[in-house]
Amino acid sequence: EAGVAQSPRYKIIEKRQSVAFWCNPISGHATLYWYQQILGQGPKLLIQFQNNGVVDDSQLPKDRFSAERLKGVDSTLKIQPAKLEDSAVYLCASSLMRTGYNEQFFGPGTRLTVL
Amino acid sequence: GQQLNQSPQSMFIQEGEDVSMNCTSSSIFNTWLWYKQDPGEGPVLLIALYKAGELTSNGRLTAQFGITRKDSFLNISASIPSDVGIYFCAGQLVGASGTYKYIFGTGTRLKVLA
Repeated sequence: EAGVAQSPRYKIIEKRQSVAFWCNPISGHATLYWYQQILGQGPKLLIQFQNNGVVDDSQLPKDRFSAERLKGVDSTLKIQPAKLEDSAVYLCASSLMRTGYNEQFFGPGTRLTVL
Repeated sequence: GQQLNQSPQSMFIQEGEDVSMNCTSSSIFNTWLWYKQDPGEGPVLLIALYKAGELTSNGRLTAQFGITRKDSFLNISASIPSDVGIYFCAGQLVGASGTYKYIFGTGTRLKVLA
């Protein structure tokens, strides 16, 4: 079974530029998560989707971050404009369903460096 | 945002030694999880704990769900070089909409000396 795919793996941009990350979850997984992991810290949830609807975006900086999950499968996370403090690894994870505990499977992440 | 406190932050141990790390929170969780993250990869689930007081093993790993539901510990016995990595605890919360979300700890970085 294929795992969670993310691209690109690495991205370097100048501050105030825009950037987008892509995630393809495991087939059949209804729940998709985007996490931000700053160096030396644990992952922090940015947004959670159930199919193509948002169920939690309370920690998403909505003035610059946006995410969508069209057709309830692939998802993109965008930052516009980027700030220096956005340098981090952006992890995508998916699980089978939102209720009860269902194991999250993580992708390899996209490492973003903002100069 | 909320994060769980893990200790120690990092540790160097000799191959063959046992390792112990713990995770504490001011909040109660119904599920505790332990993950390992290798460089350049996402976290991978090691153990899941569902009940206060529960002790669960997975090979050389043993984890316990604290009685107060505010803490958990992970033990690794007879460490080997491939145990190197960052270990994260995570607690499960019920969100405002009734969905489940996960709060991660600050991580324990383990280095094993051969």
